[in-house]
Order: sequence, then structure tokens, then C-alpha cells
Amino acid sequence: GEDVEQSLFLSVREGDSSVINCTYTDSSSTYLYWYKQEPGAGLQLLTYIFSNMDMKQDQRLTVLLNKKDKHLSLRIADTQTGDSAIYFCAEKEDTDKLIFGTGTRLQVFP
Amino acid sequence: DSGVTQTPKHLITATGQRVTLRCSPRSGDLSVYWYQQSLDQGLQFLIQYYNGEERAKGNILERFSAQQFPDLHSELNLSSLELGDSALYFCASSVGRLADNEQFFGPGTRLTVL
Repeated sequence: GEDVEQSLFLSVREGDSSVINCTYTDSSSTYLYWYKQEPGAGLQLLTYIFSNMDMKQDQRLTVLLNKKDKHLSLRIADTQTGDSAIYFCAEKEDTDKLIFGTGTRLQVFP
Repeated sequence: DSGVTQTPKHLITATGQRVTLRCSPRSGDLSVYWYQQSLDQGLQFLIQYYNGEERAKGNILERFSAQQFPDLHSELNLSSLELGDSALYFCASSVGRLADNEQFFGPGTRLTVL
């Protein structure tokens, strides 16, 4: 069945790295995404990775994909207070729909 | 600003009523998706339209229906509303049948059923 899981909370100090983890169940997923949701706002696509890639880096963001373990992670380097938000991973299967994880609330403290 | 617009921003109504949520996709996007975000169910896919035709269906209740019009805007109709329908409803759009299918989300409509 479709199930994407994330830890609920993560708290980090400003300037440290944050690592948000996600596990998914559908091995046929072609693309995996990370979205950010700030309070009272919609979803913003941060980055995505194709399933035949192991890693993708985009400025402060690094996505790691372990397809064997169906594990996806998002690393945010030099985390800032503006990074405080809820982060969702999502998988895309053969259809166009996205299956979202439960979301991880990232809190950055000074 | 993603380029996807949704109206209204907030909607407060009573149980048993019917409401219509509206979405205008980004210019050039042919696909429209509807998602529901609630505290107990999380973020769930409801339905997708591509160029006026229903493309995929998710966990959408029979009381809910949607359509995409020739000008590509979409409406989500929710009827016989229940307290549990209170949620944030997002619309997203994408170009369509591209492999990466980047979806751009609107700001959402917050529905409160009293």
C-alpha cells in the first residue's frame, strides 16, 4: 500500500545542519520530492530527485536517496530561522498523483 | 507566488451545506490537482484533471465532485458538509504529461464547517 513516513519534529540550533528523513513503500516511484510549508501558506517545491539518482545538491540542500532501503533524506546546511517550517516528502508513482508523508516540523532556535 | 490562484481564501459554513472552491492554474498548465490537508488525515490527493478530462482519483468522497472547464480553471464541489470536512484544500497545477511533473501549489482555501 501507499505509505510515506517521516518523523514529526526536529529541533536544531541556527547554523547547524538539519537532516530530515523519509521512508516510502512504493519501489516503482519515479520521482521523489521535498516540499516546504510555512505557517498559513501553501506548499513550495524545494527540490526533487529522480529514482535512478543517489544524490542531488542544490545550494544549501542535499537530497540523498537509498533506493534499496526506500529511504530519502533532506539535509539543510547552515540552517537559518527562516527555514523553520513543515517539510513534506512525496513520491510520484506511475500516475501523476503525489503521495505525501506526514510532514516534519523543523524548529530552528538561536 | 506560484501562479496558481484559489478562491475564496477562507470559507465558513454549516453542516449539510454545499460549497464550491475555485482554482485557476498557472498559465499554460493543463493539469489541475486537488488535495485536502487535515489534522487527522494529513495531506491527501483527491483528484486530477488533465485538459478537461478526469485523469486520476484518490481518496475523494462521493459527496465531493470536481470539474475542469475549457478555460482550464477547476472547481471542487463539496456537498452535505460534515464537521470532518473542515480542512485546508489545495489546488496544484502542472504542465501535464512531463516526466518530472513539477506541481505548483496554490495558497489553499481554508474550509471551516460549524
